[in-house]
Amino acid sequence: EAQVTQNPRYLITVTGKKLTVTCSQNMNHEYMSWYRQDPGLGLRQIYYSMNVEVTDKGDVPEGYKVSRKEKRNFPLILESPSPNQTSLYFCASSVTGPGANVLTFGAGSRLTVL
Amino acid sequence: SQQGEEDPQALSIQEGENATMNCSYKTSINNLQWYRQNSGRGLVHLILIRSNEREKHSGRLRVTLDTSKKSSSLLITASRAADTASYFCATDADTGNQFYFGTGTSLTVIP
Repeated sequence: EAQVTQNPRYLITVTGKKLTVTCSQNMNHEYMSWYRQDPGLGLRQIYYSMNVEVTDKGDVPEGYKVSRKEKRNFPLILESPSPNQTSLYFCASSVTGPGANVLTFGAGSRLTVL
Repeated sequence: SQQGEEDPQALSIQEGENATMNCSYKTSINNLQWYRQNSGRGLVHLILIRSNEREKHSGRLRVTLDTSKKSSSLLITASRAADTASYFCATDADTGNQFYFGTGTSLTVIP
């Protein structure tokens, strides 16, 4: 089944404790991206990747890092999480990025930073 | 810089009625898409309309696009309780490599 898999789905952590949210897709998509969703703010893009070793900042990249060493994986790294990073996070992928391409979303990762 | 804004923020209708939600965006686009999100879950693609199209249908969905007004509308006809969800528009600026999502419309269909 074609899908985007995120882990963990739920995580409670404390300020400053590094964490990684993994994202993997099995559709051979070139484009992958991370969004955060907060009440009243919709989805905001954190980082995106056009292909392996090609990443770029979205609208809210502060406090996050990403890497794209393999085509299928695009982990989101919070080096020193803070409470304002408490949010619902989504990974998504598409064939080749914006244009007439559709995003396939993961199920989401709900992160709470205490 | 968020591209889209949906209107209304929340909509409550009776089953069988039609639901209309609107999306406005800020810059020129190549395509506009609508997505649906069931509570707390991942978004699912509904329909895509290109900038040179004015109207598109898919089952009970009808999307219109007015590039001169930088706006789009999504009409769901003969709504069902299962249509209860949040609906988001997403655009791609005609330059750049980002998708931009709106703030969403929360639709409740009352059985």
